[in-house]
Amino acid sequence: ETGVTQTPRHLVMGMTNKKSLKCEQHLGHNAMYWYKQSAKKPLELMFVYSLEERVENNSVPSRFSPECPNSSHLFLHLHTLQPEDSALYLCASSQQGLNTEAFFGQGTRLTVV
Amino acid sequence: SQKIEQNSEALNIQEGKTATLTCNYTNYSPAYLQWYRQDPGRGPVFLLLIRENEKEKRKERLKVTFDTTLKQSLFHITASQPADSATYLCALDTGGTYKYIFGTGTRLKVLA
Repeated sequence: ETGVTQTPRHLVMGMTNKKSLKCEQHLGHNAMYWYKQSAKKPLELMFVYSLEERVENNSVPSRFSPECPNSSHLFLHLHTLQPEDSALYLCASSQQGLNTEAFFGQGTRLTVV
Repeated sequence: SQKIEQNSEALNIQEGKTATLTCNYTNYSPAYLQWYRQDPGRGPVFLLLIRENEKEKRKERLKVTFDTTLKQSLFHITASQPADSATYLCALDTGGTYKYIFGTGTRLKVLA
């Protein structure tokens, strides 16, 4: 266990559904991240919450909406997704500052039908 | 444009040999470079970190080098074992807000 827990592990949703991915970290870190991993592509950083400030990758569509109610919990709200959004969604946490590594959860395998 | 390239999508080697994986980057000035291992269907797991002023770092059978002039890092696994088969990712730590920038990964397969 990495100390970062993601639920659910697998999710199949229709294009008109609304769902949420959940991430919880038990490491006392002050930064949390959402990444998207598609086949044969590098991990794509979607959102960062660091010291309660949110930074986003401007190329992420608005159908993805993050929420970080506190430093231990992170959500990714999904609505009206497209089939090309099917991917592995990874949550990570780290301690803000240099010389620190990211700790990843197991990921949520999302399939949009 | 900014790019991180890992030498090949897949690499097969015989058990016992040394695997060497390459990470090249352009238009970055990373403070640190990290290597992660990822098994199928799981999240990446941190292996090693090397600072810009370090030339080499070792951990058990793993060795990482970092050449900021060539903008390249090499990742070596000596005495490779089938259990080392996985995808290996390099990541640049720019120290900025987009803290970890990942390469596409190299899928290593160690043949028994």
